Amino acid sequence: GDSVTQMEGPVTLSEEAFLTINCTYTATGYPSLFWYVQYPGEGLQLLLKATKADDKGSNKGFEATYRKETTSFHLEKGSVQVSDSAVYFCALYTGGFKTIFGAGTRLFVKA
Amino acid sequence: NAGVMQNPRHLVRRRGQEARLRCSPMKGHSHVYWYRQLPEEGLKFMVYLQKENIIDESGMPKERFSAEFPKEGPSILRIQQVVRGDSAAYFCASSPGEGEKLFFGSGTQLSVL
Repeated sequence: GDSVTQMEGPVTLSEEAFLTINCTYTATGYPSLFWYVQYPGEGLQLLLKATKADDKGSNKGFEATYRKETTSFHLEKGSVQVSDSAVYFCALYTGGFKTIFGAGTRLFVKA
Repeated sequence: NAGVMQNPRHLVRRRGQEARLRCSPMKGHSHVYWYRQLPEEGLKFMVYLQKENIIDESGMPKERFSAEFPKEGPSILRIQQVVRGDSAAYFCASSPGEGEKLFFGSGTQLSVL
């Protein structure tokens, strides 16, 4: 079945460091791919998305490129801030009513 | 335009009691999804509903759990005879259609004593 695999956390970085959170997927068909972010005590918010191969989603300095050949959608940011501390979820949608989420990766950014 | 509203925010129940979790989707959204998040785990899909219909309940435990989305009023996730293993954060999400991005509520944290 369809699935999403994310790198395990927590990831701890210093402010202004480069961030990469790896995400790979298994899906039949051609999924849409998403990154959601969950701040402490809140629900998930959509961060960015890509709907077809080679698309790049971007928002708030975060980027992810839909790589069909490697079935990946890695999240990157050039310079993280303390306020980026949160849990990040990779997700896919192939139709069939439900969005499938990865296990989440917790990011801590130290000042 | 209010977002997805879930209540209560925190719910404490003793083993054997019933838990009722409510979700009001965003205005104009007719698709509601319930997810469960266990500590240090990802979101697990439970059920997908449209008004008055359960479309996909493949993630729902077969016993004690039920969900509804009536013509009027919020969607309800009901857990009968709760056990400690039901302790988790339950999130509701809504969307205006299939395949659209999901809008999440702030969740209900259920604690079973």
